[in-house]
Amino acid sequence: GESVGLHLPTLSVQEGDNSIINCAYSNSASDYFIWYKQESGKGPQFIIDIRSNMDKRQGQRVTVLLNKTVKHLSLQIAATQPGDSAVYFCAETSQAAAGNKLTFGGGTRVLVKP
Amino acid sequence: NAGVTQTPKFRILKIGQSMTLQCTQDMNHNYMYWYRQDPGMGLKLIYYSVGAGITDKGEVPNGYNVSRSTTEDFPLRLELAAPSQTSVYFCASSFGQLLANYGYTFGSGTRLTVV
Repeated sequence: GESVGLHLPTLSVQEGDNSIINCAYSNSASDYFIWYKQESGKGPQFIIDIRSNMDKRQGQRVTVLLNKTVKHLSLQIAATQPGDSAVYFCAETSQAAAGNKLTFGGGTRVLVKP
Repeated sequence: NAGVTQTPKFRILKIGQSMTLQCTQDMNHNYMYWYRQDPGMGLKLIYYSVGAGITDKGEVPNGYNVSRSTTEDFPLRLELAAPSQTSVYFCASSFGQLLANYGYTFGSGTRLTVV
């Protein structure tokens, strides 16, 4: 299986509970943020994004919160399911960044207990 | 619509050997990227391209080369493989206007081991 995530922080959550994954970003000029989900053996998949002119955005069972003052992002997953077990990454960029390059955080592994 | 396709999925190289990791996308994306992902780490940008004939270095370009002769293809070349290049490599693409296209589309990765 995929060795990514061997040394990542791990969040263990009971099935049906809510999960909160946190991310601190570094660049105060960043104005666009994305959360990705990476399942074992696969590439990252887009979950939800948020622009810097917003502080909250909701999707299906997921909510992203952005606090620009302390440069912090969080991803909330409601009613966590076994299929949510994966590694989650936040990524940041700015419209001024050449090539729209994304800078990724270190990731958090989520383990859902039945 | 296949998205981003990477080949091979797995490869073992001996120190000093060379290889090319292939990446192709069929979404007519202008921007393409190569990232590497080491165990327990996030993704680090190796090289990127904003269009055919244009490439630029990312955060960790040493030991790699790229070319972009067509919109669809963005191969990554390792000339003299070293153990430090053992990693999982991801290719990604985007239209180049993130606000309109919700980020990158990633391939499924190439796991490379250098022994």
